[in-house]
Amino acid sequence: NAGVTQTPKFRILKIGQSMTLQCTQDMNHNYMYWYRQDPGMGLKLIYYSVGAGITDKGEVPNGYNVSRSTTEDFPLRLELAAPSQTSVYFCASSSLLAEELFFGEGSRLTVL
Amino acid sequence: GNSVTQMEGPVTLSEEAFLTINCTYTATGYPSLFWYVQYPGEGLQLLLKATKADDKGSNKGFEATYRKETTSFHLEKGSVQVSDSAVYFCALSSWYSGGGADGLTFGKGTHLIIQP
Repeated sequence: NAGVTQTPKFRILKIGQSMTLQCTQDMNHNYMYWYRQDPGMGLKLIYYSVGAGITDKGEVPNGYNVSRSTTEDFPLRLELAAPSQTSVYFCASSSLLAEELFFGEGSRLTVL
Repeated sequence: GNSVTQMEGPVTLSEEAFLTINCTYTATGYPSLFWYVQYPGEGLQLLLKATKADDKGSNKGFEATYRKETTSFHLEKGSVQVSDSAVYFCALSSWYSGGGADGLTFGKGTHLIIQP
């Protein structure tokens, strides 16, 4: 049972480059989330989705975009990478909104 | 808005010591409360939860009681092991009070180090 799968695990970007972090879950969960984790700062919600075709902003959405074309997939796009986006990104899913979340292993992004 | 405050780390203990990690919260309505654990190089995983006042969540020897009167959800374990070394996050869900984008609010995490 794969759960929540994120790719890539590591990536280095130059300032201004774009990239997409992929996230797939196989638990048929309606709710999916993207968080970023910065040292000593806990987790901050970037975007979330309550179902296919529906997304909404979290606490720190600036500089990011998401889409949810299927129940399984919830990619996160960075259009113009900035050093402030250096972080570890976690995708998560749940069967109920903001109840038990299942997390992926994380994607470590460095912007130089 | 909602917030979670937990004790700063790192917390360093010897094996078999008693553990307490403090967590207090501010929220509207009646949130659910959670403890998540993150082992090195992994994502977070749910350790335990409590959904209403006076509920006790427990798992793997860890316990936490939902105290509405003190707005606290302290994590305890009677005898820690080296394998308990990890980062522990307290979190609350405002789903029942219509939090929307605030749905799950995390504390900053407490790094626990257990020495043999």
